[in-house]
Amino acid sequence: NAGVTQTPKFRVLKTGQSMTLLCAQDMNHEYMYWYRQDPGMGLRLIHYSVGEGTTAKGEVPDGYNVSRLKKQNFLLGLESAAPSQTSVYFCASSYPGTAIETQYFGPGTRLLVL
Amino acid sequence: RKEVEQDPGPFNVPEGATVAFNCTYSNSASQSFFWYRQDCRKEPKLLMSVYSSGNEDGRFTAQLNRASQYISLLIRDSKLSDSATYLCVVTDDTGRRALTFGSGTRLQVQP
Repeated sequence: NAGVTQTPKFRVLKTGQSMTLLCAQDMNHEYMYWYRQDPGMGLRLIHYSVGEGTTAKGEVPDGYNVSRLKKQNFLLGLESAAPSQTSVYFCASSYPGTAIETQYFGPGTRLLVL
Repeated sequence: RKEVEQDPGPFNVPEGATVAFNCTYSNSASQSFFWYRQDCRKEPKLLMSVYSSGNEDGRFTAQLNRASQYISLLIRDSKLSDSATYLCVVTDDTGRRALTFGSGTRLQVQP
């Protein structure tokens, strides 16, 4: 099993450009999450999904959209990137019915917006 | 006010030392508590859960004080490999099952 993978690992964007970050998991997990981490700060929840076809907002959703068309994939979109979205983005997944702490994290995507 | 607050450090300690980290949380409805470890430029990984009765895992001991909304992590006999950032994490057990992270405490163990 690959676990949770994220694509790309690193990206540089210009202000106003768009892009999509892909998160994929092969563990048949129902729940998936997107977090961002900025220097000196903990991870903050952007959006999450409790199942295929469902998404919901987290603490910092502005400027992002998400889709969960397939159970194994959770996409995070930036329609018009801004320098404030320079961050490290982590995806995570979990399986309901297990201990809450069993969230599996991907390796992260580093995004720089110029 | 942040939901989860930690001293950012860094804590610079020699090998073999005992070091303690503290964390406070503001949401009294928080139900589950954890310590995660994050190595530089890597994803967070679960270190241990924290229970009211206190729990130990080898050299690591975690404590929870619900009345004071305070969580601690004690590391005994520090190793060079313990150098990392330690994240205090809580959850309110709502349906989304998401985690709320502190900003982390950086530990540097020196030879």
